[in-house]
Amino acid sequence: NAGVTQTPKFQVLKTGQSMTLQCAQDMNHEYMSWYRQDPGMGLRLIHYSVGAGITDQGEVPNGYNVSRSTTEDFPLRLLSAAPSQTSVYFCASSYAGLYEQYFGPGTRLTVT
Amino acid sequence: DAKTTQPNSMESNEEEPVHLPCNHSTISGTDYIHWYRQLPSQGPEYVIHGLTSNVNNRMASLAIAEDRKSSTLILHRATLRDAAVYYCILMSNDYKLSFGAGTTVTVRA
Repeated sequence: NAGVTQTPKFQVLKTGQSMTLQCAQDMNHEYMSWYRQDPGMGLRLIHYSVGAGITDQGEVPNGYNVSRSTTEDFPLRLLSAAPSQTSVYFCASSYAGLYEQYFGPGTRLTVT
Repeated sequence: DAKTTQPNSMESNEEEPVHLPCNHSTISGTDYIHWYRQLPSQGPEYVIHGLTSNVNNRMASLAIAEDRKSSTLILHRATLRDAAVYYCILMSNDYKLSFGAGTTVTVRA
């Protein structure tokens, strides 16, 4: 099992550019989520999904879109990057909502 | 969302136990208590979770107060690899993890 994989590991964007952060899991988990972590702080939930075709907003959803067309993949789209979106982004998955969540290694994004 | 309170930091010597406290006085009856840790430059890692009874696994033990307003994560023999930020999180039936600032654990050789 590869677990939860994220690509790219690092990314630099200019203000206004768009991009997609990829997240995939091979554990057949229904629940997937995206978090961001700013320096010295805990993680904050951006969006989550309880199964293919179902997504919902977390604590800080503005500026981000998600979709879940398959169980395995849960991409996060930045529509128009802003310097405030400079952060480390983590994807996570779990068998069900109350079970342990498995986190990916993260994507470090810098917006200039 | 119910909140948790943890000390900012704790220090321990290698091979000694570490007791990490967490207060959650506004916990509801259906909230689960989860603990995660985050090693430097890595994603969070699940440690343990419980509802009412004390729990043990290969990584740690979780002691939950009878009134559930507090809990303690116990690392039985700290190693240098246990140096991390430890997060105490309440998970309600909306399945969302809400991370606070956590406790930074330093282990002295």
